Order: sequence, then C-alpha cells, then structure tokens
Amino acid sequence: NAGVTQTPKFRVLKTGQSMTLLCAQDMNHEYMYWYRQDPGMGLRLIHYSVGEGTTAKGEVPDGYNVSRLKKQNFLLGLESAAPSQTSVYFCASIGFYGYTFGSGTRLTVV
Amino acid sequence: GQQVMQIPQYQHVQEGEDFTTYCNSSTTLSNIQWYKQRPGGHPVFLIQLVKSGEVKKQKRLTFQFGEAKKNSSLHITATQTTDVGTYFCAGPWSGGGADGLTFGKGTHLIIQP
Repeated sequence: NAGVTQTPKFRVLKTGQSMTLLCAQDMNHEYMYWYRQDPGMGLRLIHYSVGEGTTAKGEVPDGYNVSRLKKQNFLLGLESAAPSQTSVYFCASIGFYGYTFGSGTRLTVV
Repeated sequence: GQQVMQIPQYQHVQEGEDFTTYCNSSTTLSNIQWYKQRPGGHPVFLIQLVKSGEVKKQKRLTFQFGEAKKNSSLHITATQTTDVGTYFCAGPWSGGGADGLTFGKGTHLIIQP
C-alpha cells in the first residue's frame, strides 16, 4: 500500500519547455489535489478534482493544466515552463484521516 | 481574500522546553487542520478540529480551537529532537473547492540539544 506516489522526484526544465507531473494513489480516494510550496510560504492550491473526469481551478491555476482520466491518477501539466514555476509540487488525496500527501516533485526552471 | 496567519515564523527552543504555535484566520472556519513537515519531507496530517472550544491531545501535543472558530493553537510539552520540523495550520479554502485547504506559512521549530 504505497499511498500517494509522485513522479518524477526532481526535474530541471528550461524556460518554455513542457512537462507532466504524475500523481497516483491506491486508496480509492475520490478527491485529489495539486499544491505548490515556495520557500517561506505555505502550500497553495493549484487545481483539484472531485472524481474521475472532473477538474477545477484552485487558488493559483495560471500556467498549469490538469487531467483525471482515471480515478487513481491526477496529472499536472506545464505547457510552457517559466522561472516563476520553480517550486516543490505536492499531490494529495483526502480520506477519513485527512490529507495524504505524496513525497513531492522538486522542479527548477532555468 | 481569506487569510490564515501563523506566528511565530521561527521558534528556537532547548530540548525539553515547551513550544506553542498560533494560527489566526480572517474568517470563521468550519474546521481547522494541523500538519507537520520534516525538513525535506512532505506534510503529514496531525489532527482536525471541528467544534468551537475543542481541545484534543496526542501524547505531548495539545491542540485547541477557539470559541469563535477563528483561531487555533498547537502546544508541545517537553520538546524532543524528533519534534523538529515545520508545523502548518490549514482551513477550508474559501473558493469552495471540495475540501481544498488554505495553509498558513508555518512555524519552523528548531531544537537545540
């Protein structure tokens, strides 16, 4: 039982490149979330999903897209990366005992 | 917009001393959650408080939710080196997003042996 798994763990992108961050959960949770964490900041909600085939914008959605084609997977895409998107990205799902977070993806855009 | 503020930002304590972090919201919260993040790690759920004036304990940790449901605190008694990390409070995101959260900026607990 792995919980929430994020890949990759680290990535360096050049400005303008695109990439997809993958989040997979094996807890059969309906709700999933993407957050970003910047130094000295709390976590900020990017996008979320309440079930397969649904997505919605969070607090800071600009520059990101998401998809939830399968219940267990929630993908976060950056179409044209910018240095301002350098951050640590956390995926989470919610169950009875609160959020379960993945271990994070540390993304640097140069 | 909704804000969740935490103080202090950093707290240095000697091992064995007590530690408290405070969380204040600009709006009334239906619930508040607390998370711990170890250096280089991910946030880990500690507890959720729902009722006005609620107090919950987990071993050396005591959590309180204010009567007006706009503030909360986490108190650790007799800190140990394993308590090192950043403690975040979080309330429901005002955008209404299905249990999305607004996090405070966290309190970094640094313990000197």
